Amino acid sequence: DAGVTQSPTHLIKTRGQQVTLRCSPKSGHDTVSWYQQALGQGPQFIFQYYEEEERQRGNFPDRFSGHQFPNYSSELNVNALLLGDSALYLCASSQGRVSPLHFGNGTRLTVT
Amino acid sequence: GESVGLHLPTLSVQEGDNSIINCAYSNSASDYFIWYKQESGKGPQFIIDIRSNMDKRQGQRVTVLLNKTVKHLSLQIAATQPGDSAVYFCAEKALQGSSNTGKLIFGQGTTLQVKP
Repeated sequence: DAGVTQSPTHLIKTRGQQVTLRCSPKSGHDTVSWYQQALGQGPQFIFQYYEEEERQRGNFPDRFSGHQFPNYSSELNVNALLLGDSALYLCASSQGRVSPLHFGNGTRLTVT
Repeated sequence: GESVGLHLPTLSVQEGDNSIINCAYSNSASDYFIWYKQESGKGPQFIIDIRSNMDKRQGQRVTVLLNKTVKHLSLQIAATQPGDSAVYFCAEKALQGSSNTGKLIFGQGTTLQVKP
């Protein structure tokens, strides 16, 4: 039974560029959440998708957007990248919106 | 504001000893708490959770204690092993009004180092 899978594992982008990160939830899960984890910090909530709609959002600018597909997989898009966007981006899935989250191993984004 | 914090950034223990990792939270109305373990290069791994109607919950080699009076949470690991070395995070389910949301608020983490 595959857990949460994320791609790519590592990515290097230049300031001003755009990036798309992908996530497949754990089998049986229908809700996907995205978190940003800066080095040495705890994860920070970006947003949550359920039934293909953004249901809740953290304190992140509109440059951060997402999508959920009918098969429950999800994408995180970041436009106009800043150096400060360099972080580990974690996807987590759950069955419903409030059950325990299961995390993937993340995508390490470096912005130069 | 939103805040879940841990008391110590690094905890060093001898293999076989018991470990206690502490966490303070700020929202007295929160009713669901989770401990995660994060190894280097991996995502957070669920360890154990507890609801506010309990003050103790046990898993395999782990126990979580909740003291709502002082808004304190702790994770106890029995007979600590080298494989327990990782960063441990407590997390709190954010409330919106009186309802639980899907948002977790994480602390900054405690690094557990196990000496052989």
